[in-house]
Amino acid sequence: DTGVSQDPRHKITKRGQNVTFRCDPISEHNRLYWYRQTLGQGPEFLTYFQNEAQLEKSRLLSDRFSAERPKGSFSTLEIQRTEQGDSAMYLCASSLVLGLVSDADEQFFGPGTRLTVL
Amino acid sequence: AQSVTQLDSHVSVSEGTPVLLRCNYSSSYSPSLFWYVQHPNKGLQLLLKYTSAATLVKGINGFEAEFKKSETSFHLTKPSAHMSDAAEYFCVVSDQRTDKLIFGTGTRLQVFP
Repeated sequence: DTGVSQDPRHKITKRGQNVTFRCDPISEHNRLYWYRQTLGQGPEFLTYFQNEAQLEKSRLLSDRFSAERPKGSFSTLEIQRTEQGDSAMYLCASSLVLGLVSDADEQFFGPGTRLTVL
Repeated sequence: AQSVTQLDSHVSVSEGTPVLLRCNYSSSYSPSLFWYVQHPNKGLQLLLKYTSAATLVKGINGFEAEFKKSETSFHLTKPSAHMSDAAEYFCVVSDQRTDKLIFGTGTRLQVFP
């Protein structure tokens, strides 16, 4: 399967613990996005990378959140000192953007990591 | 700023009858609009996208949507619902600079036999 993969699929943790999620995008895709989806809501943008550069972070991304894409391939999202409000589905998506102006290329989503903070 | 509003949180139809899921958008420029579908325990899947070409966009599984600038609408339709269409549907607008997606709150479609 050459789609977007995420690991783990489920994570249960206690409040105050640190967690790290991984996303493997489609191999030739240069853009990678992280979104968060809470119950009954649509996904909300968190951050995105163009190759290894993190170009934008949402105000939703507090100082406890950090994301990396060290070699422009896979990405990790770490949450430090988790809180119950962090419980959500964390979605990763990737796309291939050619040139400086994109024509809103399709983003391909992974299955998500469901985080439960007790 | 761009945004989308999905006018119905739930829609119920009988199998074989038409489907209409409503979406209005707000954008200061010509938007790129999408419909995504999310089946339980599955990832988001693109149904169709509009990027200023034809105003009537055909997607997968018999869905289509019409871009109406005068009404700022991008409603999703299907002539005949199938049981497998039951899912959550999201209307989405793309940020022009970053391509980040801005999702609506979703419409849950139920299909009854």
